[in-house]
Amino acid sequence: AQTVTQSQPEMSVQEAETVTLSCTYDTSESDYYLFWYKQPPSRQMILVIRQEAYKQQNATENRFSVNFQKAAKSFSLKISDSQLGDAAMYFCAYRSGGADGLTFGKGTHLIIQP
Amino acid sequence: DAGVTQSPTHLIKTRGQQVTLRCSPKSGHDTVSWYQQALGQGPQFIFQYYEEEERQRGNFPDRFSGHQFPNYSSELNVNALLLGDSALYLCASSLTRGLRSGNTIYFGEGSWLTVV
Repeated sequence: AQTVTQSQPEMSVQEAETVTLSCTYDTSESDYYLFWYKQPPSRQMILVIRQEAYKQQNATENRFSVNFQKAAKSFSLKISDSQLGDAAMYFCAYRSGGADGLTFGKGTHLIIQP
Repeated sequence: DAGVTQSPTHLIKTRGQQVTLRCSPKSGHDTVSWYQQALGQGPQFIFQYYEEEERQRGNFPDRFSGHQFPNYSSELNVNALLLGDSALYLCASSLTRGLRSGNTIYFGEGSWLTVV
């Protein structure tokens, strides 16, 4: 079974600075997808960024980028120019290429200091 | 374009009772998945429905069952409620067209279930 580990229960960053959230996963599969989801107090999970395992290039979405290290099974999220609206729980998630159920980590609570 | 909608938003049930939660997928999506998120935890996959059949199931007992209707909407049923079933239940939808897919999964805002 796949597992996803987020070792940082909480992170704090000053507004406008850069923060990196860590995620490691364990799998024996070669075909899979990785995601970062944001969950604000409204509780709705919002997709931040996704990475296909077969792609070597790291995904980027505006201020959000990932560092995907396939051999190390690491998938960190970098948020540049942090904004107050970025404050939320962030979840790393894994999905096998052959199935659609997501496996989530326990999440990292991101605090943005004004 | 309406996203994923869930009802009810909040509900309180007594231990031993049964509950039904409902979900309407995002317009055009044909696949619905359900997740349970306990307080302070990440969501856990319960099961997925596609073409009105359960296609994949997580590590949940048979007390958890579901249904998908021809219009792709779905219900999650939980029988013989336990205190430990108290959680946020999230519905997610995607356009799958088969089980191998990298399509984006969209989530609803969830249904808060409290079992007393």
